[in-house]
Amino acid sequence: GQNIDQPTEMTATEGAIVQINCTYQTSGFNGLFWYQQHAGEAPTFLSYNVLDGLEEKGRFSSFLSRSKGYSYLLLKELQMKDSASYLCAVRDRNQGGKLIFGQGTELSVKP
Amino acid sequence: DTAVSQTPKYLVTQMGNDKSIKCEQNLGHDTMYWYKQDSKKFLKIMFSYNNKELIINETVPNRFSPKSPDKAHLNLHINSLELGDSAVYFCASSPPPGRTTIEQYFGPGTRLTVT
Repeated sequence: GQNIDQPTEMTATEGAIVQINCTYQTSGFNGLFWYQQHAGEAPTFLSYNVLDGLEEKGRFSSFLSRSKGYSYLLLKELQMKDSASYLCAVRDRNQGGKLIFGQGTELSVKP
Repeated sequence: DTAVSQTPKYLVTQMGNDKSIKCEQNLGHDTMYWYKQDSKKFLKIMFSYNNKELIINETVPNRFSPKSPDKAHLNLHINSLELGDSAVYFCASSPPPGRTTIEQYFGPGTRLTVT
């Protein structure tokens, strides 16, 4: 089966750095995605990792270790607008390539 | 220039009614999806269509029936609505395999409230 775990809530301070972890178990791993979802809005794509290592995109970076079934999303220079839910999702080739989402991490950025 | 659009955005209805949600994408994608997001924010796939053909059908009650008239549209019809169907329903689409970008693009969501 599949299992994706991420912390339910995190709090950080404006200007700081925060790391949101995600661990997963899946039989046919074929990529890991991070999405951002503001309250009442649609999820929007942030990053994609399929090989081990770090992918950097502006203030956001995502890391993947396939052997450990582990990923993290790193947010630098936090801004108030970064307060949102961050969803980790794994693509499973054994299940038609569908995305399996974690429950999301609710990040609150405080002044 | 909306990429993935859904109608309606809000839907309030009574138990036992039948309702439909429509989804359209103008991205030229081949694959479309329906997701349900419950009150705990858990986003779970319900169906996936590729070029009008059903490829993923999760354990969803038969009251839910997707229909894809063409690859740009994927509608969701729900019969005999129940209280537990209250959730936000998201439509999404993704490009065909082999493209450099494979992420899914989500519509704005339809907040369904069953009373």
